[in-house]
Amino acid sequence: SYVLTQPPSVSVAPGQTARITCGGNNIGSKSVHWYQQKPGQAPVLVVYDDSDRPSGIPERFSGSNSGNTATLTISRVEAGDEADYYCQVWDSSSDHPHWVFGGGTKLTVL
Amino acid sequence: EVQLVQSGAEVKKPGESLKISCKGSGYSFTSYWIGWVRQMPGKGLEWMGIIYPGDSDTRYSPSFQGQVTISADKSISTAYLQWSSLKASDTAMYYCVRQGPVLGDAFDIWGQGTMVTVSS
Repeated sequence: SYVLTQPPSVSVAPGQTARITCGGNNIGSKSVHWYQQKPGQAPVLVVYDDSDRPSGIPERFSGSNSGNTATLTISRVEAGDEADYYCQVWDSSSDHPHWVFGGGTKLTVL
Repeated sequence: EVQLVQSGAEVKKPGESLKISCKGSGYSFTSYWIGWVRQMPGKGLEWMGIIYPGDSDTRYSPSFQGQVTISADKSISTAYLQWSSLKASDTAMYYCVRQGPVLGDAFDIWGQGTMVTVSS
């Protein structure tokens, strides 16, 4: 079964850049989606298909994907970006294709 | 406005059955997949399964196959997640999600969540 590995936590000062990684075997061959979940709220899609942003998501959010690592980058971090972030891929390689989520990364704004 | 509105919180006893709902509006309900995601208290997101209301094509996560049933009534733009016999370990927040027509499309719309508590 396909596994996505995220660091449990990332800390960054306001105004700096946060990078949240998502590791998986040859993940660069898959499309990666990223979700932000603030406490007590439903998740929100922030990046889809590796690097595209839904309407309404600030340009500060960007994504990349190559080799065995996908990365969500948040530039000029603000206090309001503090949340859990999850990566996701569709694993079509198995007999039973299914969605896989990473374990999530808690972003703390210092 | 495109939205998914879920039914309210439930408190049930072990062994009881339950069916929760998710009503779509503001878009063509039969043209998008609807999925269900579980989040246990303090834990991450787990995909449970999806249904295409247009033809009722349903796919389950291996982890949830046989444990739950996903269905949809396209005449009222509503999807359902049901259990025949709840366990305490089913206590969680359940989200319905909209997914584009292609398997692999992102979950672009999320419901507000339905909290299910199973306790004797």
